[in-house]
Amino acid sequence: EAGVTQSPTHLIKTRGQQATLRCSPISGHTSVYWYQQALGLGLQFLLWYDEGEERNRGNFPPRFSGRQFPNYSSELNVNALELEDSALYLCASSLGTSGSWLRGTGELFFGEGSRLTVL
Amino acid sequence: AQTVTQSQPEMSVQEAETVTLSCTYDTSESDYYLFWYKQPPSRQMILVIRQEAYKQQNATENRFSVNFQKAAKSFSLKISDSQLGDAAMYFCAYRSAGREGGTASKLTFGTGTRLQVTL
Repeated sequence: EAGVTQSPTHLIKTRGQQATLRCSPISGHTSVYWYQQALGLGLQFLLWYDEGEERNRGNFPPRFSGRQFPNYSSELNVNALELEDSALYLCASSLGTSGSWLRGTGELFFGEGSRLTVL
Repeated sequence: AQTVTQSQPEMSVQEAETVTLSCTYDTSESDYYLFWYKQPPSRQMILVIRQEAYKQQNATENRFSVNFQKAAKSFSLKISDSQLGDAAMYFCAYRSAGREGGTASKLTFGTGTRLQVTL
């Protein structure tokens, strides 16, 4: 069974540009989470989508946005890139918040991440 | 809001020895999950072990075990017979179970502990 897949693996942009990162969850998972992991810092929660809706948002400016598609895949958009946006962006998926979740393990399954470098 | 604290930025252990990584958390909920994730240099987050708060028995997975003290809000990870492949960043994480009428929440991470394994 395929795990969580992310693309691209690496992305290099310059200040002011836009970056788009993509994530495909594990089959059957309806929840997708985005985390930012900057060098030397822990994982900072960005966004959570479930069943196509944004369920929660971390403490990030509005230029960080995303969406979830009908097939539950997701993309993260970062506009007006700044140097401090350079980080590893991790996507995770899990069972959703409807009935089956209650019998799940609560675990999030992570992809290998997309490394964004802003020059 | 829930918080997770890992007070040991770095730990070192000799091969075949035992090491314990500390984690404390703060929550007002009674039903939740706790996790230990491992992030090797390959950067993919891998689940090491999970604990459901309503289960009093400490979880074990082969060489990995936890000491879950719910009243003290402590969740330490013990690695026995340490191996070179155990070298990684270890993150403690909390997630609401969402069974108390609320919605299952995002995963909240601690800042991580870097574990070195020496010969």
